[in-house]
Amino acid sequence: GAVVSQHPSRVICKSGTSVKIECRSLDFQATTMFWYRQFPKQSLMLMATSNEGSKATYEQGVEKDKFLINHASLTLSTLTVTSAHPEDSSFYICSARDPASGGTDTQYFGPGTRLTVL
Amino acid sequence: DAKTTQPTSMDCAEGRAANLPCNHSTISGNEYVYWYRQIHSQGPQYIIHGLKNNETNEMASLIITEDRKSSTLILPHATLRDTAVYYCIVISGGGADGLTFGKGTHLIIQP
Repeated sequence: GAVVSQHPSRVICKSGTSVKIECRSLDFQATTMFWYRQFPKQSLMLMATSNEGSKATYEQGVEKDKFLINHASLTLSTLTVTSAHPEDSSFYICSARDPASGGTDTQYFGPGTRLTVL
Repeated sequence: DAKTTQPTSMDCAEGRAANLPCNHSTISGNEYVYWYRQIHSQGPQYIIHGLKNNETNEMASLIITEDRKSSTLILPHATLRDTAVYYCIVISGGGADGLTFGKGTHLIIQP
């Protein structure tokens, strides 16, 4: 299957700082990427949809000014958690749609980024 | 997208076939059945998907009932590394939207 990478895999930061997470599709071009987060013992929750060359669309309850998304190329989307606080500590996972997967566009997921805010 | 129902957990002996059921009784004609799994502290891994016909790949087989209201994911020879949470998700054709994850089935492979 298609490969999606994320960087960094783990980050620890102080409260009030900003953290940038990168999501890359390595062997396909993705016009659409998605950002999810997962709290302990819970399922993944969709945060936002990132479309190349346009503004991201956010799910209800997700602050767009806090979670900045940039999708500047067909292989890269970034999520910046601004002024992070301990309650933002979570597992952040991206996915990318592979338009070549036939029938319907299969989403492939990155390995995730564990964010810990002290 | 149609809602799915899966058992919370299942056990399976190593080397045996693991059969994971999923109900999706409100599925509509253009919706696909997708299966992903998530091993602890990793991103979800795509397994297989289908529309009407049964499908097989190197990881698993997907059996969809004729009325499409339920499906079964089959791991033919389960290993300890197959221990994970398995998610059955129904997705509209085109797949333009983000995925809605339920609680999935926690499959535990016993040695």
